[in-house]
Amino acid sequence: DTEVTQTPKHLVMGMTNKKSLKCEQHMGHRAMYWYKQKAKKPPELMFVYSYEKLSINESVPSRFSPECPNSSLLNLHLHALQPEDSALYLCASSQVGGLAEDTDTQYFGPGTRLTVL
Amino acid sequence: AQTVTQSQPEMSVQEAETVTLSCTYDTSESDYYLFWYKQPPSRQMILVIRQEAYKQQNATENRFSVNFQKAAKSFSLKISDSQLGDAAMYFCAYRSDSWGKLQFGAGTQVVVTP
Repeated sequence: DTEVTQTPKHLVMGMTNKKSLKCEQHMGHRAMYWYKQKAKKPPELMFVYSYEKLSINESVPSRFSPECPNSSLLNLHLHALQPEDSALYLCASSQVGGLAEDTDTQYFGPGTRLTVL
Repeated sequence: AQTVTQSQPEMSVQEAETVTLSCTYDTSESDYYLFWYKQPPSRQMILVIRQEAYKQQNATENRFSVNFQKAAKSFSLKISDSQLGDAAMYFCAYRSDSWGKLQFGAGTQVVVTP
């Protein structure tokens, strides 16, 4: 099973709202990622968690707050977003180390399409 | 920093024909991983094929195969017997270690015509 799930599929929020995106995987992966993708552009890395600890923050504004409550779950808390934050937010996961053939491979969820009004 | 270049913004192919997408990358490392991901209109990123730099043999997955030229830092994707379902944006990606940042190219839009 190489499935990563994301909820909600679509989200519309105002600039004063607080909302959260959720990502879940049950592949036993210990690294999880948040990406932001604008239309017709490649994904841009935002955050990386490894063993539930934040290991990479690509200088993302503080209005985006990641959280990794356990090894299967990754949240992205949103507050006071701007219209330019409207994008597809992709979650991915991968194994860390080990002998499995695909330890280097990131598997993506279907994404959440976020619109900020 | 590593860079990945996809020089073809769009490629058109007829059903049942073959199309080749180009990808070049810049790195000073000897061990790394290369990937092709497909993103159809649904925008789900789907892994197409992966290649480990230390392996000389080119990876193959059904109708998809790569031509990996390590010295030339080239990693092209060949789609054989193209199908309508192959229409998508294809991203080439580079990763230097077993986890961490994927560096994506700008993408190539593949259009499949009947």
